[in-house]
Amino acid sequence: ILNVEQSPQSLHVQEGDSTNFTCSFPSSNFYALHWYRWETAKSPEALFVMTLNGDEKKKGRISATLNTKEGYSYLYIKGSQPEDSATYLCAWNSNSGYALNFGKGTSLLVTP
Amino acid sequence: DAGITQSPRHKVTETGTPVTLRCHQTENHRYMYWYRQDPGHGLRLIHYSYGVKDTDKGEVSDGYSVSRSKTEDFLLTLESATSSQTSVYFCAISDPGGGHLNTEAFFGQGTRLTVV
Repeated sequence: ILNVEQSPQSLHVQEGDSTNFTCSFPSSNFYALHWYRWETAKSPEALFVMTLNGDEKKKGRISATLNTKEGYSYLYIKGSQPEDSATYLCAWNSNSGYALNFGKGTSLLVTP
Repeated sequence: DAGITQSPRHKVTETGTPVTLRCHQTENHRYMYWYRQDPGHGLRLIHYSYGVKDTDKGEVSDGYSVSRSKTEDFLLTLESATSSQTSVYFCAISDPGGGHLNTEAFFGQGTRLTVV
């Protein structure tokens, strides 16, 4: 099993701070990289799915970048708000199978 | 919301008994996945399906089996439940058509299983 690694494991920031997380994944046989937001007592919800090296996607204050050659993706949150508190998961598809494998996530807490 | 229903939502069972969890979708998605969520481990893939009667193992498949006899249903069976299988189980679906993996996954609400 090829691992998806996320860092940091947890993060505590103040409202208004900008923050970023890292997802590293196997660069060989890459097909797609996903980011999900998971609030407590709910189910994960997709933020982005990216496939192309250099791809950048944005949704409101949240954006993501992708480097498939070196095997990493960054998720950025600009001006964090308490409602951004959640666990952020990344997941990886290879081009040699159908599995969608997740990292352990980064738990973000934003306090007023 | 994507039409994914997991049943039961909660179950308590005794060690050694068989247990079957059901994932039902109304979206006609090709891929279906079973994950378990445990503290410190995030979501770990148990088994997945890429079509009717087409399934494969994930990273934590020992002690679990699956079946997919029709597009809309993906069953996860614990042949003989153990306390280590106490967990929250999530079903997910993806690919509304075209055979592409680069589509987002939609998750069910989860099933909380306790093995005593």
